[in-house]
Amino acid sequence: DVVLTQTPVSLSVTLGDQASISCRSSQSLEYSDGYTYLEWYLQKPGQSPQLLIYGVSNRFSGVPDRFIGSGSGTDFTLKISRVEPEDLGVYYCFQATHDPWTFGGGTKLELK
Amino acid sequence: EVQLQESGPGLVKPSQSLSLTCSVTGYSITSNYWGWIRKFPGNKMEWMGYISYSGSTSYNPSLKSRISITRDTSKNQFFLQLNSVTTEDTATYYCARYRTGFDYWGQGVMVTVSS
Repeated sequence: DVVLTQTPVSLSVTLGDQASISCRSSQSLEYSDGYTYLEWYLQKPGQSPQLLIYGVSNRFSGVPDRFIGSGSGTDFTLKISRVEPEDLGVYYCFQATHDPWTFGGGTKLELK
Repeated sequence: EVQLQESGPGLVKPSQSLSLTCSVTGYSITSNYWGWIRKFPGNKMEWMGYISYSGSTSYNPSLKSRISITRDTSKNQFFLQLNSVTTEDTATYYCARYRTGFDYWGQGVMVTVSS
């Protein structure tokens, strides 16, 4: 199975700061069709997970442009510029390139 | 608007079967992929499997032969059955649509496995 390693496990920020989360894969996530099925999700307290980023860097509908996904191959990053209160929660990377599909272990974003 | 709603028992005894229903409104399950995902106590998330627009399925091998995902297109519902449950299957279970990602989710149902 593809292992997605997220770092850090926990991230304490001040509102308005930038936050950065890394997701490293045990295998390349580029599919044979050239697409990379790497997504980012946020689960806010008491809510279902929500899709933020798909295809490494494409923001889902309604996601603010302060969320920026980047990377290729095995190394991916989610950056949040100017953290706002509604950004707090647990972030997950997820891959659907290789079966079985797998999630990273999660990164909890919280206030200092 | 696409909406998904899980339903099913919140308590299941060990060795029994867990059965959940995902009711979908606003979109036909004969398009795209429809998955089950669970979140364990703590932060661990696991993709369990999906049923496709054509009715084909894919399952996480970690669940071996315990899992089955089926559908009823006339009711626009799909189902999860997990057999021989243990306390390690205690989790919140979500259904979701997969398109470019899991873009629509149900609210989740907490299932406890306990005698």
